[in-house]
Amino acid sequence: HSALTQPASVSGSPGQSITISCTGSSSDVGSYNLVSWYQHYPGKAPKLMIYDDSKRPSGVSDRFSGSKSGNTASLTISGLQAEDEADYHCCSYAHSTNLVFGGGTKLTVL
Amino acid sequence: EVQLVESGGALVQPGGSLRLTCAASGFTFISYSMNWVRQAPGKGLEWVSYISSTSDSIYYADSVKGRFTISRDNAKSSLYLQMNSLRDEDTAVYYCARDRCSSSSCYWFDFWGQGTLVTVSS
Repeated sequence: HSALTQPASVSGSPGQSITISCTGSSSDVGSYNLVSWYQHYPGKAPKLMIYDDSKRPSGVSDRFSGSKSGNTASLTISGLQAEDEADYHCCSYAHSTNLVFGGGTKLTVL
Repeated sequence: EVQLVESGGALVQPGGSLRLTCAASGFTFISYSMNWVRQAPGKGLEWVSYISSTSDSIYYADSVKGRFTISRDNAKSSLYLQMNSLRDEDTAVYYCARDRCSSSSCYWFDFWGQGTLVTVSS
């Protein structure tokens, strides 16, 4: 089962909004409301940002939002801040392999 | 405070074995399913294995099936990963991750450890 497809990198200036895409197929992203997103600073523990496509855990800033259209899920970060600079990984349930991750996206705040 | 601390990572030769441990604290360990996830150098995350709260359900990624064994000791609040027949491509940072659900998976992880590095090389 192929990994989900994410852009290798995205960038934005403080205060702007950016969107990270996560493209799968009808076997994973498109068939289940089970996409999650994780923020990961190198050398640290990944942190859950979004689960079940668009739900935000308690304590996560409302600047982070998740959405989905067809086989593509998206993570949007509004009001970009320097502390948002990190790697972001999407993940989806996939019937054949249980769970599949994307390749990760490095967010740079200019 | 929820804490997950992995240990046991090391440099090992191809074909060798290693046992990873994840020590959990700050929550009722028996109430949660657990997972192992890894990240090879320069690559994305890869789910490795899942175990339900009472060990009734266990799943593996195809890449490790037959070589890795996940287990847990609820009395010690510990999660394990026994890795045998290690290959170069198993080189990665291994994370333990708490699943939000108990007897089945929620398919998302609300807490992770900081990982332990496994290097397979001759």
